[in-house]
Amino acid sequence: NAGVTQTPKFQVLKTGQSMTLQCAQDMNHEYMSWYRQDPGMGLRLIHYSVGAGITDQGEVPNGYNVSRSTTEDFPLRLLSAAPSQTSVYFCASSYIGSPLHFGNGTRLTVT
Amino acid sequence: QQPVQSPQAVILREGEDAVINCSSSKALYSVHWYRQKHGEAPVFLMILLKGGEQKGHDKISASFNEKKQQSSLYLTASQLSYSGTYFCGTDPAGGTSYGKLTFGQGTILTVHP
Repeated sequence: NAGVTQTPKFQVLKTGQSMTLQCAQDMNHEYMSWYRQDPGMGLRLIHYSVGAGITDQGEVPNGYNVSRSTTEDFPLRLLSAAPSQTSVYFCASSYIGSPLHFGNGTRLTVT
Repeated sequence: QQPVQSPQAVILREGEDAVINCSSSKALYSVHWYRQKHGEAPVFLMILLKGGEQKGHDKISASFNEKKQQSSLYLTASQLSYSGTYFCGTDPAGGTSYGKLTFGQGTILTVHP
């Protein structure tokens, strides 16, 4: 049972490049979310989804797109990377009333 | 708005106790507590629900004061393995989080032998 799987683990981008961070869960959880973690800021919600085909913005959505075509997958797209998007990104899944199950994170550096 | 955790950092000797507080300006339905080791993902510790009882797990327990919109995490007889950053995650009153928690800035706990 893999839980929540994120790929890649590390990524370096140049300003203006685009990329997709992958997230997959095999627990049949309804809810999935993306957080970014910066020093001293805790975890901040980027986007979340309550089911296939349904997504909504979190606290810091600018510069990111998401889609959820299946229950299992919730990719995060960076449209035009900026140095301010250098961060650690965590994907999480859950169901109603449950704790968040986090993936191992993607460490992104934008130069 | 982000809940406020205090203290920002605490240093303990093995066997000492610690309390970490989490305070919100909004009414809360539940509070989650997570611990994160350096370079790893946050790991769930416990959930406290509105109207629920104080939770406990081994020598770590927590309380939730709904009226004051505050939660406290109690670490008793600390062990080296307790070292890490502790986060509270709050779920506003409404009943369901949909995975939408608002996290505090974290409290760094260091336990020395």
